[in-house]
This record gives sequence, structure tokens and C-alpha cells, in this order.
Amino acid sequence: DAGVIQSPRHEVTEMGQEVTLRCKPISGHNSLFWYRQTMMRGLELLIYFNNNVPIDDSGMPEDRFSAKMPNASFSTLKIQPSEPRDSAVYFCASIKRGGWTSTDTQYFGPGTRLTVL
Amino acid sequence: KQEVTQIPAALSVPEGENLVLNCSFTDSAIYNLQWFRQDPGKGLTSLLLIQSSQREQTSGRLNASLDKSSGRSTLYIAASQPGDSATYLCAPGGSQGNLIFGKGTKLSVKP
Repeated sequence: DAGVIQSPRHEVTEMGQEVTLRCKPISGHNSLFWYRQTMMRGLELLIYFNNNVPIDDSGMPEDRFSAKMPNASFSTLKIQPSEPRDSAVYFCASIKRGGWTSTDTQYFGPGTRLTVL
Repeated sequence: KQEVTQIPAALSVPEGENLVLNCSFTDSAIYNLQWFRQDPGKGLTSLLLIQSSQREQTSGRLNASLDKSSGRSTLYIAASQPGDSATYLCAPGGSQGNLIFGKGTKLSVKP
């Protein structure tokens, strides 16, 4: 299995620009999580989906952040407009919930390092 | 709101030592607890998962315990090696799989 795939791995943009981060969960997994990691705040859960439906977005810091999961194999996290304080590493993770092959072990992607100038 | 504290924040030990990393959490109504390892510039790798009904889990030189009622978990690493150098993160989880992370313990094992 290829694991959780995130793109791009690095993104440098200027303040005010729109940024779109992408995630492909492990095939067969039905829950997907977006996290943000900074030195000051550590790892924070932003939003998570179950069967492509957003369950809890209370961690999304501002309305500038939005996330979608149009199908079971793809999710996006969008920041519009971006600000320097959005600079962080953004991780995507997935698990398979329910059924005989369910697992609570969360598998993380390699992350996207975002720098907003 | 769940808050997770990990002590110590950093730890440096000589190779071969046994060591204990501590994690405490404020809300004992958890579904499970996971320990992760993060190498510099990398993603997270799950080490151990303890369900709320379990007391401990073991994998090789690693042993994690859970005392849900007191809001504590420990990760025990036996016979530490330089390759164990990394940041170790504790994360209590809810029934939906949502994890709340501590800030981690940065471990350095000297040869």
C-alpha cells in the first residue's frame, strides 16, 4: 500500500494568495483527519470526515480555512486568503472504522510544509 | 476540553538505559490512547495503541500502560538505542478517531 499521500510536500506563497493542500487516504479507509503542526501550538486537529461527511470542524481556526472530501479517495484543505501565521506543517491521516478489518491506528501522511511570506 | 501534558519535554540518555516517558490527560472519557514517534521533518508513525478497556500494550522493546481513571499513560523503552532518538507524542482519542496530542518528549540517545 502506498500509504497516505499528500501534495505538494512544500508550498511557498505570498500573503493573500489561495493555497490548496491535497490528500489521498489509504485505499479502503473511511475516516480522514487534517492536522496542523507548529512549534508554538504543537499538533492540532482541524477537521475530520467520516464516509466523506465532515463530522467536526471546530478546530478550523478561521473562515479562511475550508476542507472538502468529494469522494473516498481525495480531500482538500484550502486557505483563502493565506496569511504568514498560517505557516505550518499540515498533516493528513486516515483510519478504517467499522467492519471486520477496522483499525483505530491512525496512519499519517508525510505532511505539507507551508510557508506564507 | 481535553488537555494533554507530556513530561519531560526533552530527555537525553546514554545508550542502553531504560527510560519512561509520561503523559497525562484531563478528560478520562477516552476511547483509546496512541503513542506516536516523529523523526525530524517527517510524519508520525504509530507505535502502540491501547484501547480504553486495556491496561497495557507491548511491542518489542516498547511497553505502554494506561490508567484511564487517573488520566495517565506511560511509555517504557527498554535498552535504548541511538535509533530511538525522536520525538514521542501521546494522543488520547475519541470514538470517532479524533486525537488530541501532547507537545511531545524529544528523546536523544547518545552512543
